[in-house]
Amino acid sequence: QKEVEQNSGPLSVPEGAIASLNCTYSDRGSQSFFWYRQYSGKSPELIMSIYSNGDKEDGRFTAQLNKASQYVSLLIRDSQPSDSATYLCAVIRNDMRFGAGTRLTVKP
Amino acid sequence: GAGVSQSPSNKVTEKGKDVELRCDPISGHTALYWYRQSLGQGLEFLIYFQGNSAPDKSGLPSDRFSAERTGGSVSTLTIQRTQQEDSAVYLCASSQQGGLNTGELFFGEGSRLTVL
Repeated sequence: QKEVEQNSGPLSVPEGAIASLNCTYSDRGSQSFFWYRQYSGKSPELIMSIYSNGDKEDGRFTAQLNKASQYVSLLIRDSQPSDSATYLCAVIRNDMRFGAGTRLTVKP
Repeated sequence: GAGVSQSPSNKVTEKGKDVELRCDPISGHTALYWYRQSLGQGLEFLIYFQGNSAPDKSGLPSDRFSAERTGGSVSTLTIQRTQQEDSAVYLCASSQQGGLNTGELFFGEGSRLTVL
């Protein structure tokens, strides 16, 4: 079982729609959770962090954490073509481990 | 420097040669990570340095891979007797703190390694 699992996609949504990205993790002792965005040919950049159960909103982005289900998600509202990228889920137990990423395409 | 600096940005080598990749983290950052990313794949954890603690080497794929971090700053990843499957982008990242207090990782631009 992989430590961090994501649907590899690709996920395609029309402009203005809600994109939903999901992630599960195997280590119940994991404490901190992150979403990174990676544009093609570029390095990852942090977009959201979440540490406690529930929702955390930042602009068009909402991260959701359910530790009991070992599940993290990212919602992108009013998706824009500029959101087209690979989204990486990351989890900290002692060090930071990443999922394989979900490729999102937002079509105009 | 202002960001994480990696060198070389591109390296082409022949199978069987040794290569060294360098990472200069953000000044003052105590945590340093190396990851490997093959084409179209996610980030594969290689090694993690935190302050003066022994590094977490659990991600190194074989004994051909080694890394060190001198003086708590610059790190070098060495791959001996390179194989074609070592071809990938090697990413270095640093963070102000480590362990459970790790916040944002700041990534370098990566070193693209091609083994012919």
